[in-house]
Amino acid sequence: QVQLQESGPGLVKPSETLSLTCTVSGGSVSNYYWSWIRQPPGQGLEWIGYIYDSGTTSYNPSLKSRVTMSVVTSKNQFSLKLSSVTAADAALYYCARVQWEGLGVNLDVWGKGTTVTVSS
Amino acid sequence: QSVLTQPPSVSGAPGQRVTISCTGSSSNIGAGYDVHWYQRLPGTAPKLLIYGNSNRPSGVPDRFSGSKSGTSASLAITGLLAEDEADYFCQSYDSSLVGSDVVFGGGTKLTVL
Repeated sequence: QVQLQESGPGLVKPSETLSLTCTVSGGSVSNYYWSWIRQPPGQGLEWIGYIYDSGTTSYNPSLKSRVTMSVVTSKNQFSLKLSSVTAADAALYYCARVQWEGLGVNLDVWGKGTTVTVSS
Repeated sequence: QSVLTQPPSVSGAPGQRVTISCTGSSSNIGAGYDVHWYQRLPGTAPKLLIYGNSNRPSGVPDRFSGSKSGTSASLAITGLLAEDEADYFCQSYDSSLVGSDVVFGGGTKLTVL
């Protein structure tokens, strides 16, 4: 049974870079697409983007200029970097596995999420 | 504002049937993209509840069902149980001139009375 666990600093200063890692256990990071999603307080879920193990990426256009995702197959991990953060980037961040089925994608395994606060 | 629209809250008594709507547009649900539903119990990871509009992953009770028509989709829960109290999110795919995105509803909090 595949499980995902997010990790990273819970507090980031404004203008700095948010860095999160998702560790995959019970399965391999290879041959799958992996995604990051966030939920700001009081708001709905927002897709940040996804990455394939080859490095192919697709990012939310509204965040594209600040987002970088990567995969480290040797550690069975994938990561998210979001630069120049502001208070608007404070959120509960989730990692998830992407499944391409039918028309579109779904997210069949999720981590429990990690809260990121942006404050000086 | 979320691309897909859900009611913020719904409620029902144990044993009752409740439905949660998810309204999109011609660039997502109306374009034929599948709708998926997730359940998030308090303090836990979201769980895929319905995929491909109406399919249940292994282990999901048949009390949960999904449907889709036009630019909208619905999640129905019958025989409501206290353990069903959770947040429910719909998700689809959106393709526009800007690009293609995974899109979500704002979430619906289900309260079991």
